[in-house]
Amino acid sequence: EVQLVESGGVVVLPGGSLRLSCAASGFKFDDYAMHWVRQAPGKGLEWVSFITWDGGTTHYADSVRGRFTVSRDNTKNSLYLQMNSLRLEDTAFYYCARDERAYSSGGIDYWGQGTLVTVSS
Amino acid sequence: DTQMTQSPSSLSASVGDRVTITCRPSQGIRNDLGWYQQKPGKAPKRLIYAASSLQSGVPSRFSGSGSGTEFTLTISSLQPEDFATYYCLHHNSYPLTFGQGTRLEIK
Repeated sequence: EVQLVESGGVVVLPGGSLRLSCAASGFKFDDYAMHWVRQAPGKGLEWVSFITWDGGTTHYADSVRGRFTVSRDNTKNSLYLQMNSLRLEDTAFYYCARDERAYSSGGIDYWGQGTLVTVSS
Repeated sequence: DTQMTQSPSSLSASVGDRVTITCRPSQGIRNDLGWYQQKPGKAPKRLIYAASSLQSGVPSRFSGSGSGTEFTLTISSLQPEDFATYYCLHHNSYPLTFGQGTRLEIK
């Protein structure tokens, strides 16, 4: 069974930094690209970032480019999102999600349960 | 960037009704589209991939169609557990973008 478990969501001050983690199990992690997707409370889904199976290629939404960095450690079956210069509008549930493919996106097939990041003074 | 226009934004329907939700991308995306269902407090769940293929384990009352610049999700006979919010997502290019969502409510 595919399982994705996010962690690291907390309350942080504007301008602060945070690193989210996602632990993957139930599948061969290094066969798949991965995504981060977020959802502000009561709002729709927003794609955040993508990383290929080997970490060699990454893509970002314009809203986070230059502030967020996605990475992965295939030896630990883990995905990460380093979030810097956080803004009030970054407040959201952050979901880790698996892509169907390894190199380019074939669409998201599985999702974690999400972790809540709150940016507040 | 490819923008996804999803309609309607909300829909009231009764058990047994047939409903259709539409997504229109701002440019052609072949069949690079999936449909997702999200219930309150839960992660999204994929229903349809490649525009018209049914995800394993999803009831056959769900179906998808379309290609290029118009896509539809149809629920042939609504069941009580289908009342939720539905999203389309394209993966044709980066950035990936979601439709705005359709909240399906009980009439």
